[in-house]
Amino acid sequence: EIVMTQSPATLSVSPGERATLSCRASQSVSSNLAWYQQKPGQAPRLLIYGASTRATGIPARFSGSGSGTEFTLTISSLQSEDFAVYYCQHGGTFGPGTKVDIK
Amino acid sequence: QVQLQQWGAGLLKPSETLSLTCAVYGGSFSGYYWSWIRQPPGKGLEWIGEINHSGSTNYNPSLKSRVTISVDKSKNQFSLKLSSVTAADTAVYYCARGEGPIVGATGFMDVWGQGTTVTVSS
Repeated sequence: EIVMTQSPATLSVSPGERATLSCRASQSVSSNLAWYQQKPGQAPRLLIYGASTRATGIPARFSGSGSGTEFTLTISSLQSEDFAVYYCQHGGTFGPGTKVDIK
Repeated sequence: QVQLQQWGAGLLKPSETLSLTCAVYGGSFSGYYWSWIRQPPGKGLEWIGEINHSGSTNYNPSLKSRVTISVDKSKNQFSLKLSSVTAADTAVYYCARGEGPIVGATGFMDVWGQGTTVTVSS
């Protein structure tokens, strides 16, 4: 079973700053990695699939990179609506999430 | 634009069977995998299982013995049953559309239902 880990657990960022979130797989998952954003009381929203392809309607400030076991989600300039929890997913396994909150 | 609308009982007693249904509106039902995911209060996401329009299923091994996912193609609906629930099954349950099979490891979920809160309490 592949285990997904995310770091950091919490990331405190000021609006307008860059945020870099990490996801690691316990073994290679090639580029089969998705990222989701979840705000309180809402369903998750797909941001990135295939490690680097933005989903429909996702702003260009969101970008994904990586392959194999190491992946990164970058938010280039944080907007107020970006403060949320972010999950990575491979197959039937989600990472534990990174909470991005206001510094 | 595809929308998922889900419903089901929100309060159960221990040992009862959880039953939820998700209807697909505004898009194709075939050609996709349809998943259930849950999220205990204050915790992360757990994939429960999936089904395609033909009725082929895949389940999370940790829940497989208690889970049944079924499909009604005539209504563009799919359903979840989870038997012998305990307090540990208390969670928000989501249905979602899968682009590709999740178990096949290439899949991801691009459309989600609104979520149903299920509480198990005596």
